[in-house]
Amino acid sequence: DGGITQSPKYLFRKEGQNVTLSCEQNLNHDAMYWYRQDPGQGLRLIYYSQIVNDFQKGDIAEGYSVSREKKESFPLTVTSAQKNPTAFYLCASGLAGPKNIQYFGAGTRLSVL
Amino acid sequence: AQSVAQPEDQVNVAEGNPLTVKCTYSVSGNPYLFWYVQYPNRGLQFLLKYITGDNLVKGSYGFEAEFNKSQTSFHLKKPSALVSDSALYFCAVRPYSGAGSYQLTFGKGTKLSVIP
Repeated sequence: DGGITQSPKYLFRKEGQNVTLSCEQNLNHDAMYWYRQDPGQGLRLIYYSQIVNDFQKGDIAEGYSVSREKKESFPLTVTSAQKNPTAFYLCASGLAGPKNIQYFGAGTRLSVL
Repeated sequence: AQSVAQPEDQVNVAEGNPLTVKCTYSVSGNPYLFWYVQYPNRGLQFLLKYITGDNLVKGSYGFEAEFNKSQTSFHLKKPSALVSDSALYFCAVRPYSGAGSYQLTFGKGTKLSVIP
């Protein structure tokens, strides 16, 4: 978990509500990632960012939005358009380039009320 | 597009016995391969990676993995299992280059249970 902080640890969303998950890193990494984990499905990429003020959609971006205004921060918003948001959300960061390790935060568990 | 298969949802092994967690991959060109471990309600922890060179890669906590290009496999191994090794293990792949190289693709995970 190291230098990547995710908050909150648990989050509850009401119908029609947008919620924002925080991810902060102090590792001076250029690249940051958001994954969704569902039981038995592994990790699926939602969004990634290789540099400040730039980000790309992953495999399951619909219903989610992100921003990357600072190198250290990559918040994820789960919008009301995401009809099945209950999952474990993991943020990761790493040096740019495919051979580099991605380091993960401790995760945020999102549930729907 | 790249993909990873972990054919066993669960592996059970007795404490002290050797363990193997299987992984096969599909990628265009050469791969970078990774193993991660996840304990309940925690993030993923890096175990080891294959970049190039020696096909046998040694990692954290006594784990090792063997890269086999002809069989497109990267099985995780440990000579003697500990109860504390019980966790969820993920294999992941990235290609050397191309659009997919920005994305780390994970398998669905294998739950390892080490029985005392």
